[in-house]
Amino acid sequence: EPEVTQTPSHQVTQMGQEVILRCVPISNHLYFYWYRQILGQKVEFLVSFYNNEISEKSEIFDDQFSVERPDGSNFTLKIRSTKLEDSAMYFCASSPRLGVGNTIYFGEGSWLTVV
Amino acid sequence: TQLLEQSPQFLSIQEGENLTVYCNSSSVFSSLQWYRQEPGEGPVLLVTVVTGGEVKKLKRLTFQFGDARKDSSLHITAAQPGDTGLYLCAGARSGGSNYKLTFGKGTLLTVNP
Repeated sequence: EPEVTQTPSHQVTQMGQEVILRCVPISNHLYFYWYRQILGQKVEFLVSFYNNEISEKSEIFDDQFSVERPDGSNFTLKIRSTKLEDSAMYFCASSPRLGVGNTIYFGEGSWLTVV
Repeated sequence: TQLLEQSPQFLSIQEGENLTVYCNSSSVFSSLQWYRQEPGEGPVLLVTVVTGGEVKKLKRLTFQFGDARKDSSLHITAAQPGDTGLYLCAGARSGGSNYKLTFGKGTLLTVNP
């Protein structure tokens, strides 16, 4: 069964360093997302991406964050200067289309620890 | 802000028992999805419900979307230890070029053998 794959599964980084989290969405999907889950808290929406541009972003997704689809298969989340509070599990997700009843499929997550 | 409240937050039962968990909101959702999440892993989709009053069955799991599309329930019949996990509901609104899920905090289910 097709799945969303993410790398790395776990990354530890120093505060202030740049981090890139990588995702390969399901191949025929058109809409891509990043969500995050701080330990013990809800899964939160960060950003949605369609047709090579951001279609919506949350208040969490500030200027330190950026997303990119550098080629036909990868979708990346970059955090320019990490802060301690960026420590979380980051989930990439994709969906084939928009519309009522559309389904979003999640990857296994990348656990980011900022020290 | 659209909020989803899930109850109970924790549920521990014996194998073979039935259970129901709830997902409630004051907001209307165009659709609602139920996921199961294991520790350290991503949410795995169980079902999507779209129509008010809709009922969907997935083996021993029965999902219902409220008539007003503000609430949903998940009923598990004859629970098994393999059903243990965090059950998340997530509501969706759609329109224009965006699609965003609002998640509840989840119900952590433990089924004891």
